[in-house]
Amino acid sequence: DAKTTQPTSMDCAEGRAANLPCNHSTISGNEYVYWYRQIHSQGPQYIIHGLKNNETNEMASLIITEDRKSSTLILPHATLRDTAVYYCIAGAAGNKLTFGGGTRVLVKP
Amino acid sequence: KAGVTQTPRYLIKTRGQQVTLSCSPISGHRSVSWYQQTPGQGLQFLFEYFSETQRNKGNFPGRFSGRQFSNSRSEMNVSTLELGDSALYLCASSFVGEGGEQYFGPGTRLTVT
Repeated sequence: DAKTTQPTSMDCAEGRAANLPCNHSTISGNEYVYWYRQIHSQGPQYIIHGLKNNETNEMASLIITEDRKSSTLILPHATLRDTAVYYCIAGAAGNKLTFGGGTRVLVKP
Repeated sequence: KAGVTQTPRYLIKTRGQQVTLSCSPISGHRSVSWYQQTPGQGLQFLFEYFSETQRNKGNFPGRFSGRQFSNSRSEMNVSTLELGDSALYLCASSFVGEGGEQYFGPGTRLTVT
C-alpha cells in the first residue's frame, strides 16, 4: 500500500464544512483511496472510496487531484457526532488496509 | 442487512492461556480480515481469509492463527497469551469486487493479566 500523510489533528465548527487533506504521492495506478473513521472505542466505519474520479455519497465527498497524489475528504455540514479519528488509506481493492495515525477531528459547538 | 458481529465483546485471560475469537461477516461477504488495535501500535493487519483460504498475512508471530468456514464465518486464535496481546481485535468483511471496501465489527476487547 502507498504511504499516506495526514495532519495529526484539526478542529471544525459545528455546521460548517470540514475539509480533511491527505497526501499519497506514491499511489500506484491500481490503488484506491479509502476513507474510514473511528469513533472512540468503536470499529472503524467505512466512509467513501475512489480511484480517479470525485465521489459523493450520503456521508461525504471525496475530491482526488488529477495526478492522484492527494485527496480531500469533505464533510459538508459537520455535527458533533462527526468527532472521530479519520483515516486515509491508499491500497488495492480487496487487499489489507494499512492504517496510519489518521487525523483526529474535533467538531466544536 | 445485519452488520459484522463479533463474539465475545469482552474477554479477560491469563498469561499462557489461549483464546478464540469469532466473527460473522455481512451476508454475502466472502472476505474476512482481522486487525489488532493497541494504543502503541495503532491498527495493524493480522490476516485475511477468502473462500476458507488465508490470502494475506501481516507481520505477527505464529501464535496468531485463524480460519474461515464454508459459511464465511471466521475465527482467530491466539495461543500462549502475553501481556502485550491485550488489545481490541477487529474483524472486517468485504464483498470481493470493485472497490472492496471493508465493513468492521465492534471488536473484541481482550485483556491479558
